Amino acid sequence: GAVVSQHPSRVICKSGTSVKIECRSLDFQATTMFWYRQFPKKSLMLMATSNEGSKATYEQGVEKDKFLINHASLTLSTLTVTSAHPEDSSFYICSARIAGGPKQYFGPGTRLTVT
Amino acid sequence: AQTVTQSQPEMSVQEAETVTLSCTYDTSESDYYLFWYKQPPSRQMILVIRQEAYKQQNATENRFSVNFQKAAKSFSLKISDSQLGDAAMYFCAYRSEQGGSEKLVFGKGTKLTVNP
Repeated sequence: GAVVSQHPSRVICKSGTSVKIECRSLDFQATTMFWYRQFPKKSLMLMATSNEGSKATYEQGVEKDKFLINHASLTLSTLTVTSAHPEDSSFYICSARIAGGPKQYFGPGTRLTVT
Repeated sequence: AQTVTQSQPEMSVQEAETVTLSCTYDTSESDYYLFWYKQPPSRQMILVIRQEAYKQQNATENRFSVNFQKAAKSFSLKISDSQLGDAAMYFCAYRSEQGGSEKLVFGKGTKLTVNP
């Protein structure tokens, strides 16, 4: 149980375009989802916390207008990287938390490459 | 703000031997959770073990155990009978239980190599 999926697993896009990454909790309802960014050989950095039905809470230094987060249902959150640039290339990981529980379950990640 | 420090960028261990990964953290809170996550080459984050700060007893999960020293703010992970499949990046993480914050704060990670 407690499986989180991400789609796509890999995406290559051209500079200036937008790309959407989906995060789904497959067998549980997630009131809260989290989006992380991980650079090569680095740790995970939290970008934003996404609560179902409300606006996401962004960490300091993360551009809200560039990284659009939508958590429209208890099983789906999306991250849209708008007007992507090569410096946005990274590994993006989502996690989901079951309501009332302390654990976060992580998705397998999405590798974004902007050319 | 809370910080998590992993002072060992890389560690190695012989198969079947025991290895300890270090983690210290800084917080002024009394209630929190600590976690160890494993990230193998597949990049999938896997929860290894969890410790509630209010519990004095150290958490154990099969070959994995922690040494939680609350006063010293130390949370080390011991892997016994190391296996080749244990090779991965290991991240220590902190989660507050106060103020409604649910976010995890990660250390920089320790790369563990298991030698056959």
